[in-house]
Amino acid sequence: DARVTQTPRHKVTEMGQEVTMRCQPILGHNTVFWYRQTMMQGLELLAYFRNRAPLDDSGMPKDRFSAEMPDATLATLKIQPSEPRDSAVYFCASGLAGRAQYFGPGTRLTVL
Amino acid sequence: AQTVTQSQPEMSVQEAETVTLSCTYDTSESDYYLFWYKQPPSRQMILVIRQEAYKQQNATENRFSVNFQKAAKSFSLKISDSQLGDAAMYFCACLDEGAQKLVFGQGTRLTINP
Repeated sequence: DARVTQTPRHKVTEMGQEVTMRCQPILGHNTVFWYRQTMMQGLELLAYFRNRAPLDDSGMPKDRFSAEMPDATLATLKIQPSEPRDSAVYFCASGLAGRAQYFGPGTRLTVL
Repeated sequence: AQTVTQSQPEMSVQEAETVTLSCTYDTSESDYYLFWYKQPPSRQMILVIRQEAYKQQNATENRFSVNFQKAAKSFSLKISDSQLGDAAMYFCACLDEGAQKLVFGQGTRLTINP
């Protein structure tokens, strides 16, 4: 049963610290997405990749957020420096172009 | 730009009965896909059902079915024989094949009354 995995599942950190979230997409999927979910904004697309190339990161604050795919089995989302307003659940999803996206369990981030 | 609207923030239904969740969308694309995702308290986003816009036949997955009205840009989800485990937030989403972006509605919180 193929699944998207994310680590860590929970992260509590202090303002100003670096946060790195990791995602392993489903093997064979060629698109990977990062979403953020908050009560106020709902689900927001931060960035996505196709065949490891970044296609759109317009939803991401560029000054502190960065997303990469060092290889086909790993996607990372980094926040440096983190701020309290970054507190949210961050989801990774993967899929095939034009098909459904399958979500990971999410990383619940709390920035104090 | 695509938009997805779920006009029912909350719905409730008695166990074993049927409930319909509404969704409307707007897109200028001719090729697109529509989805319903379920998010239980665990926060996991679970794909419930999908519909290709070019298919006239409504998608069905066990107790879940959709009523896809392309001209009206409506995509409602019907849950038959509701079970306690169906309690969750339900999100309608539209995938613009060209842009590859999933656009979500604001969600409908479904409560199942025993």
